[in-house]
Formats: sequence, structure tokens, C-alpha cells
Amino acid sequence: DGGITQSPKYLFRKEGQNVTLSCEQNLNHDAMYWYRQDPGQGLRLIYYSQIVNDFQKGDIAEGYSVSREKKESFPLTVTSAQKNPTAFYLCASSILSGRAKNIQYFGAGTRLSVL
Amino acid sequence: AQSVTQLDSQVPVFEEAPVELRCNYSSSVSVYLFWYVQYPNQGLQLLLKYLSGSTLVKGINGFEAEFNKSQTSFHLRKPSVHISDTAEYFCAVSRETSYDKVIFGPGTSLSVIP
Repeated sequence: DGGITQSPKYLFRKEGQNVTLSCEQNLNHDAMYWYRQDPGQGLRLIYYSQIVNDFQKGDIAEGYSVSREKKESFPLTVTSAQKNPTAFYLCASSILSGRAKNIQYFGAGTRLSVL
Repeated sequence: AQSVTQLDSQVPVFEEAPVELRCNYSSSVSVYLFWYVQYPNQGLQLLLKYLSGSTLVKGINGFEAEFNKSQTSFHLRKPSVHISDTAEYFCAVSRETSYDKVIFGPGTSLSVIP
């Protein structure tokens, strides 16, 4: 089945530690996205990528980094500079042209907590 | 820039009663509109979308929404809810003319009471 796989489902970070969240898709979508979800605030865009080896900052990129070395993969690193990382992180993908563009398909999410 | 307002943060409703979840948007250009549903500890799933054409859009699980351009609204409705409809619902908007980021509303928590 085609879809988006996020791992791990739960992740714990110690103070001063960088952690990496995995996102893999087999939908052959060009665009991939990372969102942060906090209670009552909806989804906020962290980073997005439309093509391999290129990505753009979203609304809350500070303290996060990404890479896009393969079309299928878009890992997110939460760095020690992110002082309030506890949240639910969602990865999504979409195509870039045609009537179905901008319809986003989501993974099941990773819940990150600070120890 | 586009923005999305969901007027109700929480909506309790009895089982088998009708429900309407409200969504208003602002945009200076033509838009695409979406409703997504999120069950606890899961990702978002597309319920329905408005791209063009008929203003009444039907989606999965018996939901429908009506696009009203003059009122800049895209309210979600279901004539009879089930316990399984308990979830968070997000309205979203993007520009029609080109690839664009999708802007999500803050969400409405629907609780269906037995």
C-alpha cells in the first residue's frame, strides 16, 4: 500500500540532545512537509521541500533542520536550540501540479517529549 | 496571504443529531478548500475538498460541505452523527493559481455523546 511512514511513534529527548524524526513516502510525490501540532493551535509549518536537495523554511523553522537527499525521504532533526520541542510532529506529502495539487497526505505522526 | 478561522473550538452533539462545523477563510485570490479529520494520536485524513464546480461537496463518512464565496465560508455538515465521528476536524485553504502552502485552521473538536 502506498503511504507515508513516520518513525518512531514516540520519542524522548534529553536536554542538549539532537533527535531525528524519520519520514518516508512511497507515493512518488514531489513535495514533502513537516508540521508541528500543539493543543489548540492547529498545524504550524516547519519546513517544506518541493524537490530533492532543496527545501524552504516554514513559519517556525528555528531550532529545526531538514535534508532531502532522496525523493522518498525527508528527515527532521530537532536540535538543542529548540527550547520547547514537546509536541506532535506530522509529515505530509503532495503532488505539485494538476487538480490534485495541494491535497496533502499525512503520516501517523511522532510524539516527542522532553525528559 | 490566506487565513482560516474555525469559530468553534469544541462542539458537543448527541448521537444521531445533525452537526455543522463552521469555517471561514480570507483570501484575495481564488482558493482551494479542504476539510481534514484527525482521530486521537493519528495523522490527518482528507474528508473532502473543493477545487471548482459545484459548491456542494460530498466527502467520506457521510460528510458534506458547501462553498459560499460571498460569505467566504466552507461549513462542514453531517445530518446524523455517530460515536465514531468523535475527532478533531481541520479546515484548510490554499491558493488555486499555483502550487502553494496549505494553511490550516486551529481545529474543532467534535464530541459525540451517546
